[in-house]
Amino acid sequence: DQQVKQNSPSLSVQEGRISILNCDYTNSMFDYFLWYKKYPAEGPTFLISISSIKDKNEDGRFTVFLNKSAKHLSLHIVPSQPGDSAVYFCAASSSGGGADGLTFGKGTHLIIQP
Amino acid sequence: SAVISQKPSRDICQRGTSLTIQCQVDSQVTMMFWYRQQPGQSLTLIATANQGSEATYESGFVIDKFPISRPNLTFSTLTVSNMSPEDSSIYLCSVAGTGGTEAFFGQGTRLTVV
Repeated sequence: DQQVKQNSPSLSVQEGRISILNCDYTNSMFDYFLWYKKYPAEGPTFLISISSIKDKNEDGRFTVFLNKSAKHLSLHIVPSQPGDSAVYFCAASSSGGGADGLTFGKGTHLIIQP
Repeated sequence: SAVISQKPSRDICQRGTSLTIQCQVDSQVTMMFWYRQQPGQSLTLIATANQGSEATYESGFVIDKFPISRPNLTFSTLTVSNMSPEDSSIYLCSVAGTGGTEAFFGQGTRLTVV
C-alpha cells in the first residue's frame, strides 16, 4: 500500500506561470518531507525539504507547504521555467531526514510549455 | 553534497545470470542505501548497508537475491542474482547528507533482463 501518493502522473504548465505539485501521505509517523527532481538518465536531485514542525519552507523559486492535519504537501514553483521540465518525486521519512531511507511517491512529470 | 558514482550506467543481461552494481562515494559515509525503481513505479528502498555489518533488508527483499557488500566507508556493491525480466529496473545508490536530512543519489543503473 502506497504510503506516499502523487496522484497526478503528469502536469503541463505554461512558462512563467506557477506550477503546483501535490503529494499526500498516510503514515502519521512521517516527520520530514523532501522533494526531488529527476531528469532522464540521471539520479534524483534534492530540491527542497520541510520538517513536520513547520508549515512552509521557501528556497528561491521553490516553496513547499505542509498541511499536517490533511496529510498533504505541495511544491510551488514560480515562475516556471523550461529547465523545470522533469519528474518530481515527493519523499518522506520517519526519522527526521534521509539518514534511515526514504519512502517515495511515484512521481509527477512536469512539462513546461513555452 | 556527496558525489556518487555508479557503474555500470546500464546493462542488458540474460535471465538466470547475475549483475554486480558498484557505488563509489567521494567522502566517507556511515550508511549507504540501495533503491530500485521499476518502470512507472516509485523508488523503493531495498536495503541499508553499514560498513562492517550485514545489510538490513526491507520487507520483500532478501539477501540471497540482492547480496550487498560494504567493504569500506566509501564503497558498496549490490548484486542482482539469478535475474528474471521482472528485475528490469533502475537501481540507485544513495547516501545521507552530512546533516542527516536530505539524501543524495547516484545516476542509477538501468538494468534490462531479456
